[in-house]
Amino acid sequence: AQSVTQPDIHITVSEGASLELRCNYSYGATPYLFWYVQSPGQGLQLLLKYFSGDTLVQGIKGFEAEFKRSQSSFNLRKPSVHWSDAAEYFCAVGAQGGNKLVFGAGTILRVKS
Amino acid sequence: DTAVSQTPKYLVTQMGNDKSIKCEQNLGHDTMYWYKQDSKKFLKIMFSYNNKELIINETVPNRFSPKSPDKAHLNLHINSLELGDSAVYFCASSPTGTDTQYFGPGTRLTVL
Repeated sequence: AQSVTQPDIHITVSEGASLELRCNYSYGATPYLFWYVQSPGQGLQLLLKYFSGDTLVQGIKGFEAEFKRSQSSFNLRKPSVHWSDAAEYFCAVGAQGGNKLVFGAGTILRVKS
Repeated sequence: DTAVSQTPKYLVTQMGNDKSIKCEQNLGHDTMYWYKQDSKKFLKIMFSYNNKELIINETVPNRFSPKSPDKAHLNLHINSLELGDSAVYFCASSPTGTDTQYFGPGTRLTVL
């Protein structure tokens, strides 16, 4: 069974600073990997996904993530954070041939001006 | 043009009542899901349907009964509501079971 660990519960960065949110997964085969963002009181919006191919994937709102098989990681990055990026970020893993996503516990991003 | 919609957005009810949450998607997807997000924001899948057939049931109490009248709709009925059922319930859909899932806005259920 797959599992996801997001080691950081909260992260605070200054506006304009770079951001990296960590995600480690456990799965025996090549996983499908996702990052979703949830603003307060809102649903989940897909930021980006990795299925196969290029291990660096680009998403919406200037986010990118890199799949590193050797480290079982799929960290989310953004070079310059905006105040509107303050939200909760969820990493998720899906099994190829499977039908469900397993989510991490989420990382709350705070942006200070 | 809402892709995945849920009604109601908020639901406040008493213990012991029966309630339903409705979900509709206009994306033409074959697979639909229900997830529960608890007070600690932990998201866990409850059910998955593919073309109206149940394919995932994640050890959810049988007080929860999903129903899919057609592949665009997946409703969730909850009998004998308990305090622990208070959560945000998200509906999602995907083209197939292994593809990207698109989430609805959520239904915040509060059981008093």
